[in-house]
Amino acid sequence: GESVGLHLPTLSVQEGDNSIINCAYSNSASDYFIWYKQESGKGPQFIIDIRSNMDKRQGQRVTVLLNKTVKHLSLQIAATQPGDSAVYFCAETLKAAGNKLTFGGGTRVLVKP
Amino acid sequence: NAGVTQTPKFRILKIGQSMTLQCTQDMNHNYMYWYRQDPGMGLKLIYYSVGAGITDKGEVPNGYNVSRSTTEDFPLRLELAAPSQTSVYFCASSYTTGPGSYGYTFGSGTRLTVV
Repeated sequence: GESVGLHLPTLSVQEGDNSIINCAYSNSASDYFIWYKQESGKGPQFIIDIRSNMDKRQGQRVTVLLNKTVKHLSLQIAATQPGDSAVYFCAETLKAAGNKLTFGGGTRVLVKP
Repeated sequence: NAGVTQTPKFRILKIGQSMTLQCTQDMNHNYMYWYRQDPGMGLKLIYYSVGAGITDKGEVPNGYNVSRSTTEDFPLRLELAAPSQTSVYFCASSYTTGPGSYGYTFGSGTRLTVV
């Protein structure tokens, strides 16, 4: 059964529309940020990352924006597909501190056909 | 390559029992981690290791122990299982040099229920 996402905020998106997922991080010294996708019964799957000296990075259908002033991270998914339905987590890390990940709260994305 | 392999995938324990969650990686990563994930939450770090023979506590280490005798293996030990340890446990590994995502790879998880 589903153990991830029971009490998570949910974003419902129409197939084909763009999705924006937001995340607040905690440590202003973090030097690296990562977005993960987690499907039911699976471990986190890497989506995209960004270093602290950047404010935007684009991948295939995904874009990450970093605003260090307000410690905010967002993930934009273009043309959302049914396979994008999952729970999404942001994570921050400081390489000099053992590369440990600190995860933010997740967001469940439900794609409606 | 298998990546990060965790066993078992599922386990039910009675209160007070002990068990070891196994984790092995074949990528020659020097860093390894144990996280737990409770329902509706992100992952929280239990213990981590920066190399063979070196371990350190994470955010939620109480009730757990680890060892790192080889680069490949990083077992997590529960000595006296408690209901609060009911969770999904993820092992991960990473490298410390190179571009991109720091090479973070997660296992598929162990779902533990303590009754």
